[in-house]
Order: sequence, then structure tokens, then C-alpha cells
Amino acid sequence: AQRVTQPEKLLSVFKGAPVELKCNYSYSGSPELFWYVQYSRQRLQLLLRHISRESIKGFTADLNKGETSFHLKKPFAQEEDSAMYYCALRSFQKLVFGTGTRLLVSP
Amino acid sequence: GAVVSQHPSRVICKSGTSVKIECRSLDFQATTMFWYRQFPKKSLMLMATSNEGSKATYEQGVEKDKFLINHASLTLSTLTVTSAHPEDSSFYICSFQGGFDNEQFFGPGTRLTVL
Repeated sequence: AQRVTQPEKLLSVFKGAPVELKCNYSYSGSPELFWYVQYSRQRLQLLLRHISRESIKGFTADLNKGETSFHLKKPFAQEEDSAMYYCALRSFQKLVFGTGTRLLVSP
Repeated sequence: GAVVSQHPSRVICKSGTSVKIECRSLDFQATTMFWYRQFPKKSLMLMATSNEGSKATYEQGVEKDKFLINHASLTLSTLTVTSAHPEDSSFYICSFQGGFDNEQFFGPGTRLTVL
């Protein structure tokens, strides 16, 4: 069965510190993985997808099939990065979400 | 990205009544859309997948007679929670699928409280 695990419910860092939000997945096929972000009082929106290998707002994520991981990283966190982050796996057009990690960046 | 609206944003109802939630795509048409449910401090759980003009496909454990989905057009879908009970209290989120990569565009959600 498909499953996405985000082990940290809360990650608190200071501004300028590096950030890594962990995501592990379980999937029998070739996965499509995404990171979604939800800022305070806003809707869920796509941050990045593994297939495009892009960097959005300084965030990157690399798919590691050996470790079945898709961790989200940013070298220098900003206060405006504070939000809820969800890792998701797409299977047959359906998205399976992790439980989310709240990132809190303090000044 | 595309804009998806939901109405109402918040609703409180009495136990036993029915509540309808509308989901509209404002600037694009989509044949496929999804309804999710989110409990406090929990993840989004897919309830059903809906294709315009056909019956919705419900996920395991979701009662199709309780959560009625009508995908009336390429820009409108409704979710009706029938005979609501307090345990149906939750945050309901819709999404439309579109774009070159079949990206999902999410609505802002509807908070349902059943007394």
C-alpha cells in the first residue's frame, strides 16, 4: 500500500539556519512525489515536484529511491517560510499525503 | 495557478440536517476533481474522485450515500453531507485537476461543525 511518512510534526529553527523536512514513502511502482505548502489561513499549494528537479523559493528536494526518501531542504530559512508542509505521493492520479510538518522560523 | 473557490467557508448545522458544499473552478475547466477531508492536526484524506458527467468513485470506508457528490459541470462540483452527525465535523477540501502535468488546484476548504 502507498504510504507517506513525515516523522516530525514540528520543526523550529532560527532565521538563516538550514532546514530539512523529512519525508519517506512506501510505494511499489515508480513514484511521483510532491511537496505542498500551506501558509497561515491560505489554501494548499504546490511547492515543487520531483520530476521537474526545480528549486522554488530556495527549496529543493531530491528523490532517493534507495532510501525511499524525498526530503525537502533549504540552506537558509526565512521567517516567511513558516508554514505547514505536506509531502505527497501520486498514484493513479490520486494524491496520498503525509501528516505534515509545521515549520516555524524564528527571528 | 488556477483559482478554486468553496462555499461556504464555514458552516454550523444541527445533527440530522444536510449540508451542501460548493466547489468552483473560476478560471479553467476540469473533468476530474477530488474531495478531501482533514481532521485537526491530521493529514488530508481522499474521500472520492469525481469525473464530470459520471458517478463519483469513493475511497474505502467512505459512505457514498452519506457524502453525495454531484459533478454538474466542468467548473462546479458539490458535496452534500446528508443526515450530518457530530463525527462528520471536519474540514472539507476540494481540488480540480488540470494543466499539463495534471496538477491539483485546491480550494480554501470548508469547516463543518455539526452540533
